Amino acid sequence: AQRVTQPEKLLSVFKGAPVELKCNYSYSGSPELFWYVQYSRQRLQLLLRHISRESIKGFTADLNKGETSFHLKKPFAQEEDSAMYYCALAQGAQKLVFGQGTRLTINP
Amino acid sequence: DARVTQTPRHKVTEMGQEVTMRCQPILGHNTVFWYRQTMMQGLELLAYFRNRAPLDDSGMPKDRFSAEMPDATLATLKIQPSEPRDSAVYFCASGLGNRDEQYFGPGTRLTVT
Repeated sequence: AQRVTQPEKLLSVFKGAPVELKCNYSYSGSPELFWYVQYSRQRLQLLLRHISRESIKGFTADLNKGETSFHLKKPFAQEEDSAMYYCALAQGAQKLVFGQGTRLTINP
Repeated sequence: DARVTQTPRHKVTEMGQEVTMRCQPILGHNTVFWYRQTMMQGLELLAYFRNRAPLDDSGMPKDRFSAEMPDATLATLKIQPSEPRDSAVYFCASGLGNRDEQYFGPGTRLTVT
């Protein structure tokens, strides 16, 4: 069965420190993965997708098929990065399977 | 700036009552999704539609939940009868399908007492 696992429910780092949010997936087909983010009092929105291979707000994520991972990284965390982050896997043509989310807190 | 809208934003009801949540997708989007968010389960897909036709509602408890799209500008999610375990935030999202980005509404926070 397709599954997305985010092992950390909570992650706290200091401003300026590197941050990595872990995401592992299980999928028998060709995976397409996304990171969605929900800032306080805002709606859930797309942060980045693996096929675009771009950096958004300083975040990057590389698909590692060997390790079935899609970890989200940023070299220097900023306070405005505090939010809830969800990793998601596209199942079939349209359906997304989400992980349970990681709440990231950046301490000043 | 087109956005998905959801009503009501908050709903408190007693166990056994019917609850109807509404969603207006972004004009031109042909795919609509309903999700439920809880602390324990995270975000779960309940149902989704393409061109108003239900494609998958396997995530939805069939005995009490129903989802419809009476027209292209309105999607509804109904719970009858509601139970305390239905307390959650219900999100609607719309998109163009084919693994395109999904645009989320603000959610309806449902509390069943």
